[in-house]
Amino acid sequence: SQQGEEDPQALSIQEGENATMNCSYKTSINNLQWYRQNSGRGLVHLILIRSNEREKHSGRLRVTLDTSKKSSSLLITASRAADTASYFCATDAWGTYKYIFGTGTRLKVLA
Amino acid sequence: SQTIHQWPATLVQPVGSPLSLECTVEGTSNPNLYWYRQAAGRGLQLLFYSVGIGQISSEVPQNLSASRPQDRQFILSSKKLLLSDSGFYLCAWSVIQGGYTFGSGTRLTVV
Repeated sequence: SQQGEEDPQALSIQEGENATMNCSYKTSINNLQWYRQNSGRGLVHLILIRSNEREKHSGRLRVTLDTSKKSSSLLITASRAADTASYFCATDAWGTYKYIFGTGTRLKVLA
Repeated sequence: SQTIHQWPATLVQPVGSPLSLECTVEGTSNPNLYWYRQAAGRGLQLLFYSVGIGQISSEVPQNLSASRPQDRQFILSSKKLLLSDSGFYLCAWSVIQGGYTFGSGTRLTVV
């Protein structure tokens, strides 16, 4: 069964605006990760946030984690056309070696 | 530095033909290795993962199998391809509770 579910499924914004994507999951986790996938390419790791962390930053990316609500958000500030991609969250089931991916959010940044 | 190689990039195979996709990792020892499949416009489905030589865990009953003959080699196989096996296949490696590094993917079309 799907562990992570992203919301919204698709998002279209103007360049310079902020983009927020959300991820909900079902079971206890060790950590949660966000990935980006450009069309037809492999996935690129963006950020890993551990279950005891609440917020993490990397450049224009900000990730929050609320374990009580089993949810995470990815904020991209001052978006650029190059940010156009699909974004996935991935969670590991506690005590396992595997990550389960959500269905992704397709972000389109208009120049 | 660690690198992951996955080939071929694209493959067109007739129904009923065999399949062998290979993934190799360099620059790390005893990685966890994974095979994922992504249907068009969808999220990633975990197919197999391996925590060591000869150790394979299957996530989804299907027409595929995996093998790990060497520490840094992971092979995805099928004896007879089905139309439903078409998709984008991604190999990845990770260390325990770390992020994934993905290969560039193989787009398989079964005709």
